[in-house]
Amino acid sequence: DQQVKQNSPSLSVQEGRISILNCDYTNSMFDYFLWYKKYPAEGPTFLISISSIKDKNEDGRFTVFLNKSAKHLSLHIVPSQPGDSAVYFCAASAGGAQKLVFGQGTRLTINP
Amino acid sequence: GAVVSQHPSWVICKSGTSVKIECRSLDFQATTMFWYRQFPKQSLMLMATSNEGSKATYEQGVEKDKFLINHASLTLSTLTVTSAHPEDSSFYICSASPETGLNTIYFGEGSWLTVV
Repeated sequence: DQQVKQNSPSLSVQEGRISILNCDYTNSMFDYFLWYKKYPAEGPTFLISISSIKDKNEDGRFTVFLNKSAKHLSLHIVPSQPGDSAVYFCAASAGGAQKLVFGQGTRLTINP
Repeated sequence: GAVVSQHPSWVICKSGTSVKIECRSLDFQATTMFWYRQFPKQSLMLMATSNEGSKATYEQGVEKDKFLINHASLTLSTLTVTSAHPEDSSFYICSASPETGLNTIYFGEGSWLTVV
């Protein structure tokens, strides 16, 4: 039972354009969501997060949107840069627990 | 900043042997650490919560006798894969946090295990 889903295994975007990565969840107990960037054979690095009491959080080029009624969140990267090429994971937490439930990841490729 | 380190990064072992993976918090103490496993092109799946000074809490479907977790100090948790089989080959990652918040979770570099 995949509680956090990233239905797009890959995404290719032109440099300078906007990258939109999507994530859906099923567990209504999740109240905190995080996005991580991961390179092969490395651990994930934290990018941005959002609490369920908000619908948007912005940090530089990264913005996360949360639609609780649709149980959907998205990560926007604008403008996209070649260094953004990596696998992006969304993760969810319930009740402040530091154990996370991850989606399957989306491989983002930024083309020059 | 806070760093979590894993060792070894790569390990190859023969079927039936045991292999130990270490997870260290380098500049902070962590009463709780988490162990995840990632199969190729799949998600990170939580295996267990490592608790300093007490027994680990395992997720459903994870064999506690096969994946032994020891959290003997506030800076070290170890995962021992016992009687390893080829299907145990995977990428194992730990995480820890110096605080109770969620934005301060740090992941180790991961350990690639190949069982031949």
